[in-house]
Amino acid sequence: NAGVTQTPKFQVLKTGQSMTLQCAQDMNHEYMSWYRQDPGMGLRLIHYSVGAGITDQGEVPNGYNVSRSTTEDFPLRLLSAAPSQTSVYFCASRPSSYTYEQYFGPGTRLTVT
Amino acid sequence: SQQGEEDPQALSIQEGENATMNCSYKTSINNLQWYRQNSGRGLVHLILIRSNEREKHSGRLRVTLDTSKKSSSLLITASRAADTASYFCATEGRGSTLGRLYFGRGTQLTVWP
Repeated sequence: NAGVTQTPKFQVLKTGQSMTLQCAQDMNHEYMSWYRQDPGMGLRLIHYSVGAGITDQGEVPNGYNVSRSTTEDFPLRLLSAAPSQTSVYFCASRPSSYTYEQYFGPGTRLTVT
Repeated sequence: SQQGEEDPQALSIQEGENATMNCSYKTSINNLQWYRQNSGRGLVHLILIRSNEREKHSGRLRVTLDTSKKSSSLLITASRAADTASYFCATEGRGSTLGRLYFGRGTQLTVWP
């Protein structure tokens, strides 16, 4: 199993540009989530999904959009990038909402200038 | 916020010594988890303790939970240089917040050879 994969590893955007961060898992996990990690802030939940076709907001959803058309993929869209979205983004998955260990991807480092 | 808070922010010890990190949180939880993050990598799950448990062991790790004080501690015994990493506690709430993890800011552990 490749586990949780994320692309790209690094990205630089200009303010106002849009882009999609990709996340895929090959473990048939129902539950997937996106976090951002800022220096000194720990990880904060952006959006999550409990299964294909079902998504919900986390702590910091503004400026981000998600969809879950398949079990495997959970892309995160930045609609109009802002410098405040400069961060490291992590995707995670777990078998279901009722099994607790999360598996994290390697992260995408995003810089918005 | 339900975010956990780790203490200390940084810890520096010699190989062979024990390392203790603490986590405090604010609301009722379903479980509390500890994760490790090596520099530039994703998070790796270490251990989970449920709200009705008081202590758990896994190899050189020992975690305790005191729900009356809303606090947890992670003990790493006989530390090794390879234990150098950031350690995060994450709490999972009940009810409508089940499935959502709230992370603390982390403790940076450095183990010197």
